[in-house]
Amino acid sequence: GIQVEQSPPDLILQEGANSTLRCNFSDSVNNLQWFHQNPWGQLINLFYIPSGTKQNGRLSATTVATERYSLLYISSSQTTDSGVYFCAVNYNQGGKLIFGQGTELSVKP
Amino acid sequence: GAGVSQSPSNKVTEKGKDVELRCDPISGHTALYWYRQSLGQGLEFLIYFQGNSAPDKSGLPSDRFSAERTGGSVSTLTIQRTQQEDSAVYLCASRQSGQGAGSPLHFGNGTRLTVT
Repeated sequence: GIQVEQSPPDLILQEGANSTLRCNFSDSVNNLQWFHQNPWGQLINLFYIPSGTKQNGRLSATTVATERYSLLYISSSQTTDSGVYFCAVNYNQGGKLIFGQGTELSVKP
Repeated sequence: GAGVSQSPSNKVTEKGKDVELRCDPISGHTALYWYRQSLGQGLEFLIYFQGNSAPDKSGLPSDRFSAERTGGSVSTLTIQRTQQEDSAVYLCASRQSGQGAGSPLHFGNGTRLTVT
């Protein structure tokens, strides 16, 4: 099956810093999503981005499907950005969404 | 509804007992998923329902786990003869379909299951 790898596994930032999170996948995908799991365990949709670039406030994401990776950019980080960031993919036109292991982000004041 | 609703939010049960976890998806969403997340871990796929198609059960860890979806809406995940390793947060998600896999997934807040 498809492999989804996220890096780095952990990241500590000072408030105001920028960061880039990466998601690599081993096969062609027809759907890719980024999620933020906050410290209370809630999973929040950030982006649905099978290809191209999207921006939402301080966050943006780019997926290069032909090269099998996606990047999540966080600019001017805030303490509320802390939590775990997951990418997840569908492949082979199937419905099953496979998750990476996540990047745990901690933003210090 | 406003979002995916799961109940109960917390469940403590004794080893060997059966439990049922409920999920109400977003109205109109035809695809429904169950995932499991152990402490500090990623999300493990359990089962996926799509409309009237046969569910994808490939993630169920053992025959003690089963799920059904009645009327294409509410789903119940049942764990029989619970074991301590079943302790985890069980997450339900739904999305619109009829659009291939191309629509975002929305998660409920999960049920935290503790087996003592």
